[in-house]
Amino acid sequence: DIQMTQSPSSLSASVGDRVTITCRASQSISSFLNWYQQKPGKAPKLLIYAASTLQSGVPSRFSGSGSGTDFTLTISSLQPEDFATYYCQQSYKTPRTFGQGTKVEIK
Amino acid sequence: QVQLRQWGAGLLKPSETLSLTCAVYGGSFYGYYWGWIRQPPGKGLEWIGEINHSGSTNYNPSLKSRVIMSVDPSKNQFSLKLTSVTAADTAVYYCARVSATLSSSDFYWLYSDYWGQGTLVTVSS
Repeated sequence: DIQMTQSPSSLSASVGDRVTITCRASQSISSFLNWYQQKPGKAPKLLIYAASTLQSGVPSRFSGSGSGTDFTLTISSLQPEDFATYYCQQSYKTPRTFGQGTKVEIK
Repeated sequence: QVQLRQWGAGLLKPSETLSLTCAVYGGSFYGYYWGWIRQPPGKGLEWIGEINHSGSTNYNPSLKSRVIMSVDPSKNQFSLKLTSVTAADTAVYYCARVSATLSSSDFYWLYSDYWGQGTLVTVSS
């Protein structure tokens, strides 16, 4: 299985901050990388696919980059509704594994 | 607007079979894979597997011996069965649509763009 490792596991930030979350794959996955946002008690929501393509309806403050083994999710200016847990997922091979998650909390 | 609604038993005893069904409303059932993902309480997401309208499946090897997925295109529904459950199978189970977008290099980007509401399944004696 391809292991996906996110860092940090959690972070504290303020509204308006620029936030960066990193995801590393245990082998090259080209750009087969998705990002999801999950709020407590809710299903995950797709933010980005193909490493950098913004899903329809997702605010442009979210962006993704990377290829191969190293990827980042950036929130350019953190908004109150962005406090949540973020997961990366590789779709290069089955099983389509997820990272362990990064919880973004209010400072 | 695509909606996925799921249902199934929420409390099971060890060794019983988990059974969940997901219905798709407002969109085509064909041309997609349909997946299951679970999340133990307070933990991360685990991919269980996926099935397409013709019944072709991909399963997580860690669960493959106990997982059965099926599909009923006439009802726009797909189902998950997990046999011989234990406490370790306690989780919120989600169904999801797996969409594919063709890239410029003739391969497909795969991603889950619509999700069900989730069903908490608790395994306890």
